[in-house]
Amino acid sequence: QSALTQPRSVSGSPGQSVIISCTGTYRDVGFYDSVSWYQQHPGKAPKLMVYDVSKRPSGVPDRFSGSKSGNTASLTISGLQAEDEADYYCCSYAGTYTPNVFGTGTTVTVL
Amino acid sequence: EVQLVESGGGLIQPGGSLRLSCAASGFSVSSSYMSWVRQAPGKGLEWVSIIYSDGSIYYTDSVKGRFTISRDNSQNTLNLQMNSLRAEDTAVYYCTRYCSGGSWCLDYWGQGTLVTVSS
Repeated sequence: QSALTQPRSVSGSPGQSVIISCTGTYRDVGFYDSVSWYQQHPGKAPKLMVYDVSKRPSGVPDRFSGSKSGNTASLTISGLQAEDEADYYCCSYAGTYTPNVFGTGTTVTVL
Repeated sequence: EVQLVESGGGLIQPGGSLRLSCAASGFSVSSSYMSWVRQAPGKGLEWVSIIYSDGSIYYTDSVKGRFTISRDNSQNTLNLQMNSLRAEDTAVYYCTRYCSGGSWCLDYWGQGTLVTVSS
């Protein structure tokens, strides 16, 4: 099972929106509506930001939204804030034997 | 409050063994799906192994035959026995819990424990 493909980096100014793509295959992203997104600040554990493609856990700002089309999922961060600067990883369910396939990771820089 | 606290990491020579433990609180490990996820220095996240609530166990191909995931219901802990360690196993290892309700997300992560395989 290969890692999902994400852009290495994206950037935006405070208040702008950025979109992070996550491309998989018909065996993972394209087949299951089980895509999640994680935010990771340096030296910290990842934090769940979006699950089941577009749902947000309690406490996650509604600036974070997810979507999916075909084999590609996307995370949109609207109204970018300084604290959003971090690494972001997508993750898809890929079956009983390999329940989690992660993306390659994207660094978000707030200019 | 849900908490996951890993321990057992350290410096180990290639070919050696190490046992990681994850102490869980605020929920029952035996009733949950639990996984180990690792992150090599400067690299991305990699799923390593899962233990389902029914006891089924699966591993990523690179650790099959070398790593063993288990749980201790009486201690409410998750373990990872790592044998025949290689340099490429060097990583921070995170203990994680799956979201409930049929979702495959990971809602709780430990702080991670660093395993360094080097001579």
